[in-house]
Amino acid sequence: IAGITQAPTSQILAAGRRMTLRCTQDMRHNAMYWYRQDLGLGLRLIHYSNTAGTTGKGEVPDGYSVSRANTDDFPLTLASAVPSQTSVYFCASTDRPNTGELFFGEGSRLTVL
Amino acid sequence: GQNIDQPTEMTATEGAIVQINCTYQTSGFNGLFWYQQHAGEAPTFLSYNVLDGLEEKGRFSSFLSRSKGYSYLLLKELQMKDSASYLCAVTDSNYQLIWGAGTKLIIKP
Repeated sequence: IAGITQAPTSQILAAGRRMTLRCTQDMRHNAMYWYRQDLGLGLRLIHYSNTAGTTGKGEVPDGYSVSRANTDDFPLTLASAVPSQTSVYFCASTDRPNTGELFFGEGSRLTVL
Repeated sequence: GQNIDQPTEMTATEGAIVQINCTYQTSGFNGLFWYQQHAGEAPTFLSYNVLDGLEEKGRFSSFLSRSKGYSYLLLKELQMKDSASYLCAVTDSNYQLIWGAGTKLIIKP
């Protein structure tokens, strides 16, 4: 089934630990995004990639890094997790980045203690 | 700054009609989107408006007035499965998506 897959779906992490959230899509979309969603706030863009080999910073990039080695994969890494990074993380992709029509993964719920 | 406002929560009755409003202030405008998000799930695309007027898609319609910075999502013949959060988002002059915090819609029998 075509779509976008995130892993893990849920994780509890000690502060200071390194964590990578995985995102894979099989729709051959060029553009991919990482958002965080917190209660009472809109989705906030962390990092994005318009095509394989390129990445860019979004609204809240500090403490996060990404890579885009190929079209399908777009992992998000927290180098040293802090409690304020407790959130639900959504990966999204699109083949029409100027239209705003995104396809989202099911989300990764991360708790940093 | 860029801002999107929508009500935090609304309640409606099964079978009725509900209108969810969204106002925006952004640097430029290249389209307005509505997404539906059920609790614990991913957002899914509902509608896209780039020109003024009403776009109808089954029980859902979305309206846009660019001069007023205003949109609404109209849901008709409400069903219990319509209980969800509805997210308004705008693409600015750089085609970056700016998201509202979402409106939680509660449907009562």
